[in-house]
Amino acid sequence: ETGVTQTPRHLVMGMTNKKSLKCEQHLGHNAMYWYKQSAKKPLELMFVYSLEERVENNSVPSRFSPECPNSSHLFLHLHTLQPEDSALYLCASSQDSRGPTDAFFGQGTRLTVV
Amino acid sequence: AQSVTQLGSHVSVSEGALVLLRCNYSSSVPPYLFWYVQYPNQGLQLLLKYTSAATLVKGINGFEAEFKKSETSFHLTKPSAHMSDAAEYFCAVKGGFQKLVFGTGTRLLVSP
Repeated sequence: ETGVTQTPRHLVMGMTNKKSLKCEQHLGHNAMYWYKQSAKKPLELMFVYSLEERVENNSVPSRFSPECPNSSHLFLHLHTLQPEDSALYLCASSQDSRGPTDAFFGQGTRLTVV
Repeated sequence: AQSVTQLGSHVSVSEGALVLLRCNYSSSVPPYLFWYVQYPNQGLQLLLKYTSAATLVKGINGFEAEFKKSETSFHLTKPSAHMSDAAEYFCAVKGGFQKLVFGTGTRLLVSP
């Protein structure tokens, strides 16, 4: 138990579907992140939220839409995805987005786009 | 800008043997350095971190890493491998207020 919970753990969706990934942390952290982990590629930082404001968007396609309604919850809304979007999506949180603060990761959502 | 290079996508050791996973970093500012471990179908878990307090850092599960500025390295070691150490290990660097940047990972295989 890392303190960061992601649901669902597995998701299979068609290219025309709309789905959402959910992340929840009760560590009192102020920063939350979405990462994409594909086979044989470095972890890719997608979005950073600090105090519920998006502070970084690393050129992520608009078919991925993040939402951070409060400091404990983070969503990733998905629509019209492509097969190459299949990956493990990891949520993380940290005390803040600066300095040597540790990032705590959830267990991830394994997404398969068919 | 920061980057890390992990030498070897796979490392195989026998149970009881020394574990050495290599990480070299590049950073334009004094770096913070991290090692994370990922077990199958799990997220990443912090093993240890360097924040300039001491060059030899001890982490969980008997792992340690030494920061060597002259070699821009932060290699991870464990004196005696255990079967439960089989996992993927990620080195990461963070320069000041900049984002955490991960390496491509090294998969550690432990044979009986």
